[in-house]
Amino acid sequence: QSVLTQPPSVSAASGQKVTISCSGSSSNIGNHYVSWYQHFPGTAPKLLIYDNNERSSGIPDRFSGSKSGTSATLDITGLQTGDEADYYCGTWDTSLRTGVFGGGTKLTVL
Amino acid sequence: EVHLVESGGGLVQPGGSLRLSCAASGFIFSNHLMSWVRQAPGKGLEWVANMKQGESEKHYVDSAKGRFTISRDNAKNSLYLQMFNLRVEDTAVYYCARELYDGSGMAYDYWGQGTVVTVSS
Repeated sequence: QSVLTQPPSVSAASGQKVTISCSGSSSNIGNHYVSWYQHFPGTAPKLLIYDNNERSSGIPDRFSGSKSGTSATLDITGLQTGDEADYYCGTWDTSLRTGVFGGGTKLTVL
Repeated sequence: EVHLVESGGGLVQPGGSLRLSCAASGFIFSNHLMSWVRQAPGKGLEWVANMKQGESEKHYVDSAKGRFTISRDNAKNSLYLQMFNLRVEDTAVYYCARELYDGSGMAYDYWGQGTVVTVSS
């Protein structure tokens, strides 16, 4: 059971928009920046978003992040088949004194 | 160009030990907090440990406490993870990752390609 809660899967049609949620608590998301990663099996994860809503270098503006209270979201617009991957949120947890990831969300582009 | 290259993975029996290494290049290694993250087969990413720049402050996931030791040699631009008393559930791909900046809340902007650790009898 992950400290951060993400939906196991989301899907949307090509060209459409999808939102991936990440729910935590005051000891993690509520008091720390959130990052988002894209992960294709067999490769290294890629940083998409840091500081809640800042795009990492080279990441297109189709990807955006936001945070409100103890939850964060990743929006992907103009979906492409190449976006099919696993997406993870991550942050620091003050109570645990560890980094924490969400369980991951598998994106399917229909 | 930034590069992180892990090594040291392999097949080990339960109760055995391994030492993972991560060779860094292309940036000032001593300026960055570094971490280990793993992914077990069919599972998600799991944060394992991190170590601040000054080779002092370290943190571990509960399952690693008392069994794993993270260390770094800033003179050699290298990060290490010494793993003792390995369990079957430690089987995973282990990645080293660079934190974008201290306090970024775990924003890892560069990752290695991973090294595979298999714990099995």
